[in-house]
Amino acid sequence: GQNIDQPTEMTATEGAIVQINCTYQTSGFNGLFWYQQHAGEAPTFLSYNVLDGLEEKGRFSSFLSRSKGYSYLLLKELQMKDSASYLCAVRMNYGGSQGNLIFGKGTKLSVKP
Amino acid sequence: DVKVTQSSRYLVKRTGEKVFLECVQDMDHENMFWYRQDPGLGLRLIYFSYDVKMKEKGDIPEGYSVSREKKERFSLILESASTNQTSMYLCASRPPGAPYEQYFGPGTRLTVT
Repeated sequence: GQNIDQPTEMTATEGAIVQINCTYQTSGFNGLFWYQQHAGEAPTFLSYNVLDGLEEKGRFSSFLSRSKGYSYLLLKELQMKDSASYLCAVRMNYGGSQGNLIFGKGTKLSVKP
Repeated sequence: DVKVTQSSRYLVKRTGEKVFLECVQDMDHENMFWYRQDPGLGLRLIYFSYDVKMKEKGDIPEGYSVSREKKERFSLILESASTNQTSMYLCASRPPGAPYEQYFGPGTRLTVT
């Protein structure tokens, strides 16, 4: 079976740094996505890692280690608007469903003043 | 900007009714997806389509069917709605090339009474 684990909830303070971890055990792997989802809204794309290492995009960075089945999303200089759920998703690479995503259950991040 | 629209934001139906959820994308994407999102379970793939008139089952297709008569439109059909199909339904589309990100619609919150 496919398994993607991430913490259910996290709390952090405005201006701080927070790291959201994601571990995966899947039958295929063709990249890892991070999405942000505000309450009642659609998920929006944050980052995509297919090779090991760190990808930086403004205040957000994402890291991947394929050998460890591990990724993290790093959010710097937290703002109140960063309060949202963060979804980790693995892109599969099998058969006719190439490119399908398997999602973790999401991490709800609350940013406090 | 990619735009994915869904026919309704909120829908209330009775048990046994036939329900149609419509999704339209304006970016000529080949791939389209239907997910449901439930608390504690995350996003789960119901059906997907990689071309007109093509469809494949996702992880939880039971009780659902789909239709893709035109490239821009992907419909999810609940043949006989049941209370356990009360959920948030999200449609997504994806272009064929990298970075393979999926673009989500705003979602339809369906309540079956």
